[in-house]
Amino acid sequence: GENVEQHPSTLSVQEGDSAVIKCTYSDSASNYFPWYKQELGKRPQLIIDIRSNVGEKKDQRIAVTLNKTAKHFSLHITETQPEDSAVYFCAARPNTNAGKSTFGDGTTLTVKP
Amino acid sequence: EAQVTQNPRYLITVTGKKLTVTCSQNMNHEYMSWYRQDPGLGLRQIYYSMNVEVTDKGDVPEGYKVSRKEKRNFPLILESPSPNQTSLYFCASSLSFRAYEKLFFGSGTQLSVL
Repeated sequence: GENVEQHPSTLSVQEGDSAVIKCTYSDSASNYFPWYKQELGKRPQLIIDIRSNVGEKKDQRIAVTLNKTAKHFSLHITETQPEDSAVYFCAARPNTNAGKSTFGDGTTLTVKP
Repeated sequence: EAQVTQNPRYLITVTGKKLTVTCSQNMNHEYMSWYRQDPGLGLRQIYYSMNVEVTDKGDVPEGYKVSRKEKRNFPLILESPSPNQTSLYFCASSLSFRAYEKLFFGSGTQLSVL
């Protein structure tokens, strides 16, 4: 089955700096890669996603890049703000068995004012 | 308001006492899924359902049962809970089972098994 590895597990940045979180996946059949943000005590919420036929997608201060050959994808947050502090999860879903979804272990991002 | 509703929000029980966590969505979604979240382990999929009467195992199905008799409801059943099932549980749904459909999560159920 699919295995998703996420790094780093914790990340601390100064307000205004950029943050990068990286994930690798093992199943070449995976073709959809969402990112979720989970604030303390809240439910995960989708912040950005990318499909396998796209190399990069951007939405204001956040962007996701995908390298299908190397089987890795990354979340980039620019001009970080204290409200970006949360746990971020990457995930991979395969086209062949789209019911299944595998998540990374999460990255705790702390943005220091 | 479109939402996924889980009940209860918090539950403390004892080993072996059967329990059910309910999940309901009002968006006419075909796909529903259960996850458990443990510190440092992310979200792990327990069971999922592509549609009514269609369910399948996720990565950690042992000790859990599900049913999908109606489109809106997808209860999670623990027939004989054990302490290692203490966890935060999330139900989620999406319009269809297609990989790129956005997942909507419930607010979570914190379960403690003593």
